Amino acid sequence: QVQLVESGGGVVQPGRSLRLSCAASGFTFSSYGMHWVRQAPGKGLEWVALIWYEGSNDGGNKYYADSVKGRFTISRDSSKNTLYLQMNSLRAEDTAVYYCVRELDAYSGYVPLDHWGQGTLVTVSS
Amino acid sequence: DIVMTQSPDSLAVSLGERATINCKSSQSVFYSSNNKNYLTWYQQRPGQPPKLLIYWASTRESGVPDRFSGSGSGTDFTLTISSLQAEDVAVYYCQQHYSTPYTFGQGTKLEI
Repeated sequence: QVQLVESGGGVVQPGRSLRLSCAASGFTFSSYGMHWVRQAPGKGLEWVALIWYEGSNDGGNKYYADSVKGRFTISRDSSKNTLYLQMNSLRAEDTAVYYCVRELDAYSGYVPLDHWGQGTLVTVSS
Repeated sequence: DIVMTQSPDSLAVSLGERATINCKSSQSVFYSSNNKNYLTWYQQRPGQPPKLLIYWASTRESGVPDRFSGSGSGTDFTLTISSLQAEDVAVYYCQQHYSTPYTFGQGTKLEI
C-alpha cells in the first residue's frame, strides 16, 4: 500500500535552514507529481510546493506558493524514492506541520491529492 | 491566484440530519476541453492528516460512504452529508487544482 513518511522536522531559529524528507513506498514514485502542504497550529491547510512527475513535458518543473518562493526548494530523488523540501531563511510564520502528498493519478497534472503522510512539525523560534 | 471561500466557518448539525457546506472560487475552475471542475473536497478529523472525499466536484473517492456528495460547477460548489454520523465530526476543506498555486478554502468545522 502507498506510504509516505516525513522526517526532518524540529525546532530551528529564525533565519536558519532545514531540510525535510519524505520516504515513499508502495507505488512507482517517479510516475507521480508530489506536493508539500503545511498547516500552522490550529489553522487551515496551505499548499506549499509541487514537483511534476519525471518525464513530463514540464520536465520535473516546480511550483511554489508566493509565501515560500525564493526560500524553499522542492526536489526528488527517484533512485531513493524520496521527496525533499529545502527550507532556507526560515521565519516564525513557517511554523507548521508539513505534509508530503501524492497526486491521485500517475502521469498527470492538475489532479487531486489522494495520499497524505502523517506530517512532520517544524517550529521556528529563537 | 484563485481565492477559495467556504461558508459557513462552522456548523452544528444533529445526528441524522443534513449538513451542507459551500465553497466559492474567485474564478471558474471548470475546464471545458474535458468538461471537468478542478475542485476537490477533503475531510480532516482531529489529529489526522486530510483525507480525500470528493474530486472533480462530484466523484466520490473509493470507500467514502454514499451519504457524502458533491455538486456545483464553475465557481460555486457544495458538499452535502445527507445524514450526519458521529464520525463525520471534522473540518472540511475545498481545494482548486485548476492552476497553481493550488489554493484551499479556509475550512468548515462540522460539529454535532
